[in-house]
Amino acid sequence: DTAVSQTPKYLVTQMGNDKSIKCEQNLGHDTMYWYKQDSKKFLKIMFSYNNKELIINETVPNRFSPKSPDKAHLNLHINSLELGDSAVYFCASSPQGRMNTEAFFGQGTRLTVV
Amino acid sequence: AQKITQTQPGMFVQEKEAVTLDCTYDTSDPSYGLFWYKQPSSGEMIFLIYQGSYDQQNATEGRYSLNFQKARKSANLVISASQLGDSAMYFCAMREGPNAGNNRKLIWGLGTSLAVNP
Repeated sequence: DTAVSQTPKYLVTQMGNDKSIKCEQNLGHDTMYWYKQDSKKFLKIMFSYNNKELIINETVPNRFSPKSPDKAHLNLHINSLELGDSAVYFCASSPQGRMNTEAFFGQGTRLTVV
Repeated sequence: AQKITQTQPGMFVQEKEAVTLDCTYDTSDPSYGLFWYKQPSSGEMIFLIYQGSYDQQNATEGRYSLNFQKARKSANLVISASQLGDSAMYFCAMREGPNAGNNRKLIWGLGTSLAVNP
């Protein structure tokens, strides 16, 4: 019973294309996140949504646009893909306002731009 | 300024021995939480253990324990009786309280790569 699921797991695409990554959580959490993990394993938060409202936008190029149709879904759309966008993208969720609850992660989407 | 510092990019340990992974943090918020995650080569992020700033005792979860030294602002992860399956990247993270004003996001260290030798 997958808690946070993202699709696809692997994505290989050419420069200039537009692609989307989907994320769904069945934990009833209010807050969802997108992280980017680069080749050096550094985890950088990109966006956070709370009950469909954007609360964190961390200096991400506007080619990246998150969309939250409801609090269980947070999709990431990327326009005009560049080589530097190659990374692993993680979706995560956590309950709102609780200090002691960990973020639950999806399995990651490995994006390769060629 | 880096808020979470993991000074060991890589560590080696013999199977069945204990290993300590270092994590120091920086915050002026009296309320915060500290987390450790494991990322094996398969890529998923696995939550290991949590320590709250007001917790009186060090957190333990099976073979994982957290050596929490509040005055020194350190939250080192201790893995006892290492197993080959413990080989992975380990990340320390902090969530600050509402006073921090950063929407209480998790702040991450750069990780430590642990290799367990047979």
